[in-house]
Amino acid sequence: EAQVTQNPRYLITVTGKKLTVTCSQNMNHEYMSWYRQDPGLGLRQIYYSMNVEVTDKGDVPEGYKVSRKEKRNFPLILESPSPNQTSLYFCASRHRGGNTEAFFGQGTRLTVV
Amino acid sequence: SQQGEEDPQALSIQEGENATMNCSYKTSINNLQWYRQNSGRGLVHLILIRSNEREKHSGRLRVTLDTSKKSSSLLITASRAADTASYFCATDLNQAGTALIFGKGTTLSVSS
Repeated sequence: EAQVTQNPRYLITVTGKKLTVTCSQNMNHEYMSWYRQDPGLGLRQIYYSMNVEVTDKGDVPEGYKVSRKEKRNFPLILESPSPNQTSLYFCASRHRGGNTEAFFGQGTRLTVV
Repeated sequence: SQQGEEDPQALSIQEGENATMNCSYKTSINNLQWYRQNSGRGLVHLILIRSNEREKHSGRLRVTLDTSKKSSSLLITASRAADTASYFCATDLNQAGTALIFGKGTTLSVSS
């Protein structure tokens, strides 16, 4: 089954404790991206990757890091989480070239206390 | 940068009625897409309309695009309770597909 898998689904952590949210896709998509969703603000892009070892900032990259060492994986790293990073996070992937649909993971609800 | 803006923010209708949601955007686009989200879950793609298309259908969905007005509409005909969800428009800003920008969404509630 074609899917984007995120882990964990839910996470409560404390300020400053490094964490990683994993994302994996099995569709051989070139493009992967991370979004955060906040009430009243919709989805905002954090980082995206056009292919292995190629990443770039989205609209809200501060406080986040990503890596793309393999085509299927695109982890989101919070080196020192803060309460304003409490949000619902989504990973998405799509084929290269535009005019293609994005496939989303089920989301990771992160709470930073 | 918030490119798309959906209108209305919330919509409540009865089963069997039609639901219309609108999306306005600011810059030129390669295509416009509509997605659905059920209660905090992942988004699911509904339909894509290219910048050179004016109307597209998929089952009970009808999407229109007016590039001169920079707007799109999503019509769901004969709504069902299962259509209750949030609907987002997303604009694809370039042919490379690296900038898929979402609006804030319309929350649709269909009561039986």
